[in-house]
Amino acid sequence: SSELTQDPAVSVALGQTVRITCQGDSLRSFYASWYQQKPGQAPRLVIYDQNNRPSGIPDRFSGSRSGNTASLTITGAQAEDEADYYCNCRDRRGNLGVLFGGGTKLTVL
Amino acid sequence: QVQLQESGPGLVKPSETLSLTCTVSGGSMTNYFWTWIRQPPGKGLEWIGHITYSGYTDYNPSLQSRVTISQDTSKNHFSLTLTSVTAADTALYYCAGSTVFGVVIYFDPWGQGTLVTVTS
Repeated sequence: SSELTQDPAVSVALGQTVRITCQGDSLRSFYASWYQQKPGQAPRLVIYDQNNRPSGIPDRFSGSRSGNTASLTITGAQAEDEADYYCNCRDRRGNLGVLFGGGTKLTVL
Repeated sequence: QVQLQESGPGLVKPSETLSLTCTVSGGSMTNYFWTWIRQPPGKGLEWIGHITYSGYTDYNPSLQSRVTISQDTSKNHFSLTLTSVTAADTALYYCAGSTVFGVVIYFDPWGQGTLVTVTS
């Protein structure tokens, strides 16, 4: 498959750890990046190159990969982490096509 | 740091052409692939395509027949043209700078987005 699949919704209790996953065959070949999007805002890069954080992103955000699944882990979720999260990677079908996952809405309880 | 700002009409009639421009400030256009991404209301992100500094373009196969991305580096901007629009093209359109190397691609920075509605 050339798609990236994410769970539509995930919830986590305040201060607990949550993992948001992204599945797709392209992830066997290419690294995932992750974006956080809050209502009314543009997406914000939180993880790139599989497990690197841009400046200003808290270290409670981390990324990993196993086989065809990339994961974004938030260790000690905060209320401000409630948002939609999207993964993306290059498309294994070639050239420089790009895939996005459908997004996961994270609710912090 | 590099900042991006989209501009263009917010309303486009069905079958007509959507045209948007993204102005790049605070940095050089040589450092990124310049990208358009869209998001229909209440839905996820869709990559439209990008242009490199040297002018090479790559497009989403589902849009390729209708899309053109161009740039004017002397004016520090790049543009999106989408022909024969329908209601399905109604979306928030974002411009972004993408970094591409080897097995990696990621988008940062992003513009704030501009809503384009296709309506008669």
